[in-house]
Amino acid sequence: NAGVTQTPKFQVLKTGQSMTLQCAQDMNHNSMYWYRQDPGMGLRLIYYSASEGTTDKGEVPNGYNVSRLNKREFSLRLESAAPSQTSVYFCASSGSGANTGELFFGEGSRLTVL
Amino acid sequence: GESVGLHLPTLSVQEGDNSIINCAYSNSASDYFIWYKQESGKGPQFIIDIRSNMDKRQGQRVTVLLNKTVKHLSLQIAATQPGDSAVYFCAANHNKFYFGSGTKLNVKP
Repeated sequence: NAGVTQTPKFQVLKTGQSMTLQCAQDMNHNSMYWYRQDPGMGLRLIYYSASEGTTDKGEVPNGYNVSRLNKREFSLRLESAAPSQTSVYFCASSGSGANTGELFFGEGSRLTVL
Repeated sequence: GESVGLHLPTLSVQEGDNSIINCAYSNSASDYFIWYKQESGKGPQFIIDIRSNMDKRQGQRVTVLLNKTVKHLSLQIAATQPGDSAVYFCAANHNKFYFGSGTKLNVKP
């Protein structure tokens, strides 16, 4: 039982390049989330998916897109990376209705945009 | 919305002492709170949670206190150990989770 798995763990991009962060959970959770974590700031919600087939914007969605591929997988795409997107990205899932249960986090994906 | 803040960015304690980490939230409608521990280079790990119909909850060596009157949450760690060194942050839920920026706990041997 791996929990929440994110790939890649590290990535360096040049400004304007695109990439996709992958996330998978094996806990049969309905809800999945993407957060970014920046120094001195709390985790900020980028996008979330309350259930398979639905996605919604969070606090900081600009510059990102998401896909809820199936119940297990939720990907985050940067179409044209910018230095302001340098951050640590965390995927999370929860089994209860959206936002009412414990969040389980992955180990993070550290992205640097040059 | 909601705003969550921690009172101290850093806390240093002696091994064996008790630690208290504090958190304040702004929205009285927040009804579910979680404390997370984050070690360097890792994802946040659940420590303990509490719902707004309670004012205290205990786990193994940890206690969370909720004071809804002043919108304050605290995490108490008993007999702090070197393995407790990490960043601790609270999350408050009102429609979605809002996270504080974290308190770094340093445990001195």
